[in-house]
Amino acid sequence: AQSVAQPEDQVNVAEGNPLTVKCTYSVSGNPYLFWYVQYPNRGLQFLLKYITGDNLVKGSYGFEAEFNKSQTSFHLKKPSALVSDSALYFCAVRDITGGFKTIFGAGTRLFVKA
Amino acid sequence: KAGVTQTPRYLIKTRGQQVTLSCSPISGHRSVSWYQQTPGQGLQFLFEYFSETQRNKGNFPGRFSGRQFSNSRSEMNVSTLELGDSALYLCASSLKSGEVGTDTQYFGPGTRLTVL
Repeated sequence: AQSVAQPEDQVNVAEGNPLTVKCTYSVSGNPYLFWYVQYPNRGLQFLLKYITGDNLVKGSYGFEAEFNKSQTSFHLKKPSALVSDSALYFCAVRDITGGFKTIFGAGTRLFVKA
Repeated sequence: KAGVTQTPRYLIKTRGQQVTLSCSPISGHRSVSWYQQTPGQGLQFLFEYFSETQRNKGNFPGRFSGRQFSNSRSEMNVSTLELGDSALYLCASSLKSGEVGTDTQYFGPGTRLTVL
């Protein structure tokens, strides 16, 4: 079965420092991977996705993610964190073999301290 | 282009009642998916509609149902509400069916349902 794991419930980083939010996945075919961000009392906002091609994917708000097939990872990164980046981040995989639904990780809460 | 809209934003019901939530997708989008978000279970897929047809369904009881209209607007209905149905219900729209796999889903702000 396809699955997504976000091993950290919370990540703390100082403003200006680089940030990484980790995600690993398990799929039986080609992985279609997504990152979303959720601010309080809001829906999810799309950040970026990996479908095929370059392993480094650039997305919204200066975020990028690196697809690593050998490690089955899709970590979200940003070179310099902002306080406004504090939010809940979800990694997701599109399950195209088990009914075409999106499976989300449990989420990682990012705190950026000024 | 307007985003995904959901109505109402907040709803309070009592056990045993039923509720209908509405979702209007981005113009031109034909797929609408529904998700339930709770602190304990996270984001769970309910079902997807594409061109007025249910394409896929998650592992929820039959009390949860939905439909899609010819203008792609979708409604979700929960009958005989239980306390555990309290959650944020999110809908997401995309151009193509989830079967495509690569299409991006755009989410609405959600409807916060509280069951007393």
